[in-house]
Amino acid sequence: GAVVSQHPSWVICKSGTSVKIECRSLDFQATTMFWYRQFPKQSLMLMATSNEGSKATYEQGVEKDKFLINHASLTLSTLTVTSAHPEDSSFYICSARELTSGSYEQYFGPGTRLTVT
Amino acid sequence: EDKVVQSPLSLVVHEGDTVTLNCSYEVTNFRSLLWYKQEKKAPTFLFMLTSSGIEKKSGRLSSILDKKELFSILNITATQTGDSAVYLCAVWDSSYKLIFGSGTRLLVRP
Repeated sequence: GAVVSQHPSWVICKSGTSVKIECRSLDFQATTMFWYRQFPKQSLMLMATSNEGSKATYEQGVEKDKFLINHASLTLSTLTVTSAHPEDSSFYICSARELTSGSYEQYFGPGTRLTVT
Repeated sequence: EDKVVQSPLSLVVHEGDTVTLNCSYEVTNFRSLLWYKQEKKAPTFLFMLTSSGIEKKSGRLSSILDKKELFSILNITATQTGDSAVYLCAVWDSSYKLIFGSGTRLLVRP
């Protein structure tokens, strides 16, 4: 089946620094990738949708200048949390969709746990 | 505003019990409803339901959709401790964006 990886799986950073999270589709080309955030004991909240080669579409309330998304290739999308603050500590999950297969199914990565101290 | 509501929020049962998890939705231009199981990491796919009244089954898990009443149920029979997880219901809207419910946290005690 389709596999999506994320790196790193966990990261601790100091307040004010930036952190980059990578999401890769390992055995398929992902025309669309999604970034979600999940706080403890809460559900997944969609942050943004990115299509390869174009700007990401952010959900209402998500600061695009703080959460920079780049989808430069069909197998890689990155999320950079800029000037991180403790309230940005969360579980970040990406998912990827391969339209060429005719299915709109999303394949989820294993997630990245970010802790900002 | 589109929303997906799951109930109960949490559930504790003993091994061997049968559980029913509920998911109701209000989504413009509904396409499909999906169930996921989430343990410590990312969600794993269980079922996708598009048509009303057709039960989908996988081992001890089954699910059905009622598009008239806008809800779905997920049944787990003969529960095992390995079934302990958060079960997420999500709906695809017209743009194939997934809208997740808050999840049901299931704990199966030995």
